[in-house]
Amino acid sequence: EILLTQSPATLSLSPGERATLSCRASQSVDRYLAWYQQKPGQTPRLLIYDASSRATGIPARFSGSGSGTDFTLTISSLEPEDFAVYYCQQRFNWPLTFGGGTKVDI
Amino acid sequence: QVQLVQSGAEVKKPGASVKVSCKASGYTFTNYDINWVRQAAGQGLEWMGWMNPDSGSSGYAQKFQGRVTFTRDTSINTAYMELSSLRSEDTAVYYCAKAFCVIDCYSGSEWFDPWGQGTLVTVSS
Repeated sequence: EILLTQSPATLSLSPGERATLSCRASQSVDRYLAWYQQKPGQTPRLLIYDASSRATGIPARFSGSGSGTDFTLTISSLEPEDFAVYYCQQRFNWPLTFGGGTKVDI
Repeated sequence: QVQLVQSGAEVKKPGASVKVSCKASGYTFTNYDINWVRQAAGQGLEWMGWMNPDSGSSGYAQKFQGRVTFTRDTSINTAYMELSSLRSEDTAVYYCAKAFCVIDCYSGSEWFDPWGQGTLVTVSS
């Protein structure tokens, strides 16, 4: 099973600041990595897939990078609605696995 | 728009089974896999497996093998997840999610978009 480790666990920032979230895989997942956003009481939403492709309707302030074992989600300038928990997920190997999440709070 | 609507919350006793439904609309149901993911309170996300609504074939995460079954009724565009031998650790919100993939796609190796609203299953004596 591929373990995904996200850091930091919590990121405390202010609106307008840049957020940098990390996801590290226990073995290479090539570029088969996605990022999801989950707000309290809501369902997860796909933000980024295949490491760097934005899903439909996702603002340009969200960007993904990386390959192999190290990946980054960057939010260039935080909007109030961006404060949420972010999960990474790999589809390189079964079982599909998720990271433990990074909470971005104010 | 694409939408997945799940059945309501369930309370079950240990040892019982639960069956959650997921009704799809806004797209051709048989063209995309349905995956199931669960989330215990305050915890992360755990993938359970996938089902191809066209063929009915499915794949299960090893952790759930023998306890979970995915089925579907194509006449009403609905997928089902049945989990048996419930224990307290199965208390969680269960989500269905439509598969999304652009490159190197195959069943069990896809992204999830969109998700159903979730179904809370509580296992308690």
